[in-house]
Amino acid sequence: NAGVTQTPKFRVLKTGQSMTLLCAQDMNHEYMYWYRQDPGMGLRLIHYSVGEGTTAKGEVPDGYNVSRLKKQNFLLGLESAAPSQTSVYFCASSYSPAAYSPLHFGNGTRLTVT
Amino acid sequence: DQQVKQNSPSLSVQEGRISILNCDYTNSMFDYFLWYKKYPAEGPTFLISISSIKDKNEDGRFTVFLNKSAKHLSLHIVPSQPGDSAVYFCAASVSGDYKLSFGAGTTVTVRA
Repeated sequence: NAGVTQTPKFRVLKTGQSMTLLCAQDMNHEYMYWYRQDPGMGLRLIHYSVGEGTTAKGEVPDGYNVSRLKKQNFLLGLESAAPSQTSVYFCASSYSPAAYSPLHFGNGTRLTVT
Repeated sequence: DQQVKQNSPSLSVQEGRISILNCDYTNSMFDYFLWYKKYPAEGPTFLISISSIKDKNEDGRFTVFLNKSAKHLSLHIVPSQPGDSAVYFCAASVSGDYKLSFGAGTTVTVRA
């Protein structure tokens, strides 16, 4: 049982390049989330989805786009990477809203933008 | 502005002793609180939670206390074990909301 799988694990981008982070879950969860973790800031919500075909903005959505075309996948896109987007990105999923059921996290993607 | 604050970035404790982690929040609408634990190179994992109708919740060696009037919660680990060395995140939510607000985390080191 893989749980939540994130690819890639590491990536280095130059300013202005684009990339897509992939998150896949095999738990049939409705809710999926993208967080970023920065030193001294904890985890901040970028975007989330409450079901296939839906997306919504979180706390820090600027510079990111997301898509949830299939229930099991949640993609995070950076159209034009900036050094401020250097961070560790975590995808998570849950059976019901985050207040009621634990989030299951992937192991993260470490992104460096130079 | 962070609504959930963990003011101690790190905590060092001897094996077998009690670890106490503190968390403060500013949003009075929060009514559900959680603790997550994170090892290096892994994602956070859920540890324990408490709703605002309770002031204490216990699960084995882990106990969370909630003081609503002070907008403060704490996590007690008794006794502390080397495997407890990790980063602990406090999180809070409003019932039914999809979002969690996380604190910055406290790194716990358990010394042998």
